[in-house]
Amino acid sequence: GAVVSQHPSWVICKSGTSVKIECRSLDFQATTMFWYRQFPKQSLMLMATSNEGSKATYEQGVEKDKFLINHASLTLSTLTVTSAHPEDSSFYICSAPEARGLRLEETQYFGPGTRLLVL
Amino acid sequence: LAKTTQPISMDSYEGQEVNITCSHNNIATNDYITWYQQFPSQGPRFIIQGYKTKVTNEVASLFIPADRKSSTLSLPRVSLSDTAVYYCLVGPSNFNKFYFGSGTKLNVKP
Repeated sequence: GAVVSQHPSWVICKSGTSVKIECRSLDFQATTMFWYRQFPKQSLMLMATSNEGSKATYEQGVEKDKFLINHASLTLSTLTVTSAHPEDSSFYICSAPEARGLRLEETQYFGPGTRLLVL
Repeated sequence: LAKTTQPISMDSYEGQEVNITCSHNNIATNDYITWYQQFPSQGPRFIIQGYKTKVTNEVASLFIPADRKSSTLSLPRVSLSDTAVYYCLVGPSNFNKFYFGSGTKLNVKP
C-alpha cells in the first residue's frame, strides 16, 4: 500500500523555539494532506487541511499563526510549530489520500507520527 | 460529517472472534465507512472499508446492515498483537477530512 513518512519521528526543543515537521507521500502524489494532533490517551484531533499550491484551511480553534503549514510540492507538506510551549507537546500525525483514477472510496494513509516534547 | 459512536473499551481473549459495533445514525447516502487500527505512538493503519452489505479482506470483515446506520468490524481469532484502539470513520470520499471519535480500546488477554 501507499506509504506516508514523517520526519523527525521525535523532537525535543526548548520553549520559545520553532519546530518543523515534514510529511511526505513516498510513492504517490498528494494534493491534499491533513494534520492531526493527539494527546496521551485521547483521540486524534484534526488541526488543518494542507492544500498544494494554496493556503491551508484550519479547524476552529487552531491558531494558524502558530501552526504554519506549507504544502510545497505534491509529495511534501510541512507543519511548523512556532514559539513552541510545553502545552504544544503532543503527537503530531499527518495523512494523505491516494488518488486512483475516479475511485473515491480509496483510503487515506497515515504517517507514523512525530512526538514533540517542549521543555 | 456523520458522527460515530463506539464502545470505549472491550476485553477479549486470544483466539476469540471480536465484534466491534459503530453507530452512525446520520450517515449520508454518499458516505463510506472505514475502520482504522492504532497502536500506541503510531499512526492509524487502514483495516477495511465498505459501503453496504459485507466486505471481507485478509484481516477483518465489515458488516453493514441495509439502513447503514451502524457497522460491525469483525476480527477473527484475535491475538495479543491485536490489542489496539479501533476507530470507525465515515465520510463521502477519500479526500474528505476525518473527525475521529473516541475509538474502541480492545484489550486482548492471554
